[in-house]
Amino acid sequence: GAVVSQHPSRVICKSGTSVKIECRSLDFQATTMFWYRQFPKQSLMLMATSNEGSKATYEQGVEKDKFLINHASLTLSTLTVTSAHPEDSSFYICSAHGTGKEPQHFGDGTRLSIL
Amino acid sequence: RKEVEQDPGPFNVPEGATVAFNCTYSNSASQSFFWYRQDCRKEPKLLMSVYSSGNEDGRFTAQLNRASQYISLLIRDSKLSDSATYLCVVSPTGANNLFFGTGTRLTVIP
Repeated sequence: GAVVSQHPSRVICKSGTSVKIECRSLDFQATTMFWYRQFPKQSLMLMATSNEGSKATYEQGVEKDKFLINHASLTLSTLTVTSAHPEDSSFYICSAHGTGKEPQHFGDGTRLSIL
Repeated sequence: RKEVEQDPGPFNVPEGATVAFNCTYSNSASQSFFWYRQDCRKEPKLLMSVYSSGNEDGRFTAQLNRASQYISLLIRDSKLSDSATYLCVVSPTGANNLFFGTGTRLTVIP
């Protein structure tokens, strides 16, 4: 079945560092990918919708200059957290528009910890 | 008001028990409904879609009440492996727009 791969699965870095997370659709083309963030004991919150070949659409309250999204090909979207701070520590999950019965296929998630 | 509301639990039940989770949603125009399962520190995985007529998949039964904007999940004969967080997910427009509840945590005890 369709698989979405996310890398890296775990990042620990110092405050001020920029961190890039990759999301790949492995056996299908994804014109649209989604980036979510989940804080402990909270629901997944959509951050932005990534569209291949065009600018991402950000949800209200998400800073586009801080969370840079690039969707340069039909199988890859990247999220860069620029100048990350401890409050950016969270679980970041990408997904791609589903095929078949699944509405969206989720990546494995990236646990980001900023020290 | 949140798009999707769930009782966070936790629900601690013995093996073999029957447990039910409820969820309410705010947008009456919502079109698609799902239950996802999320294990600790993992991505959510689709458990089942929820249809207007109600649907069953093995030990799992999902029901939808559009008039009350209410969704339920019933798990019969609970197994230890059912321990997870169950997320109620609603889509107003279809697959492009998913709203997640905070999840209900279930622990099945031996």
